[in-house]
Amino acid sequence: AQSVAQPEDQVNVAEGNPLTVKCTYSVSGNPYLFWYVQYPNRGLQFLLKYITGDNLVKGSYGFEAEFNKSQTSFHLKKPSALVSDSALYFCAVREKTNAGKSTFGDGTTLTVKP
Amino acid sequence: GAGVSQSPSNKVTEKGKDVELRCDPISGHTALYWYRQSLGQGLEFLIYFQGNSAPDKSGLPSDRFSAERTGGSVSTLTIQRTQQEDSAVYLCASSPFGGNEKLFFGSGTQLSVL
Repeated sequence: AQSVAQPEDQVNVAEGNPLTVKCTYSVSGNPYLFWYVQYPNRGLQFLLKYITGDNLVKGSYGFEAEFNKSQTSFHLKKPSALVSDSALYFCAVREKTNAGKSTFGDGTTLTVKP
Repeated sequence: GAGVSQSPSNKVTEKGKDVELRCDPISGHTALYWYRQSLGQGLEFLIYFQGNSAPDKSGLPSDRFSAERTGGSVSTLTIQRTQQEDSAVYLCASSPFGGNEKLFFGSGTQLSVL
């Protein structure tokens, strides 16, 4: 079975400060890992993914995430937050040997204040 | 169309009625997914179709829920004898092959059961 935990329901940061949205996962084998973002009244959009190789993955809108196998984590980061980054963020995992369903976390609401 | 299309965008029904939700995936995408997003909750996996393979129905919450995919393209999610706890946003997503590919989401159908 595979699972994802996003331990924080809400993250608040000031504009210009770095942000981190946490994600840990559990899978039987090696994972594919994804981050998606949901802006108000809009559908989910892909941000970035980890497949293999370099543990630091760069994605859309200046976001990046670091895969840490020993800690089974895939935290989302951005060096300098923007007010427009305020949205609902979802982490997702898919087992490489079962390239079917993706399991999503419960989501983290990011609020960036001016 | 260019993206995943879902219809209707909103559906209000009475308890006990049947509803059908439709998803048109991106042309050429062989993988199709249904998820449910309840208020304040994460994405709950419902069902996954991949090409001509038998679908993964492991996420369907009860036998009132069923889904089919005709001709490897359009999918219909049917909920029979709706209950108030079925109220949620039902999201459809597609991807080219599954595997390590990202998901492309539709805007969802907001289902309200009165």
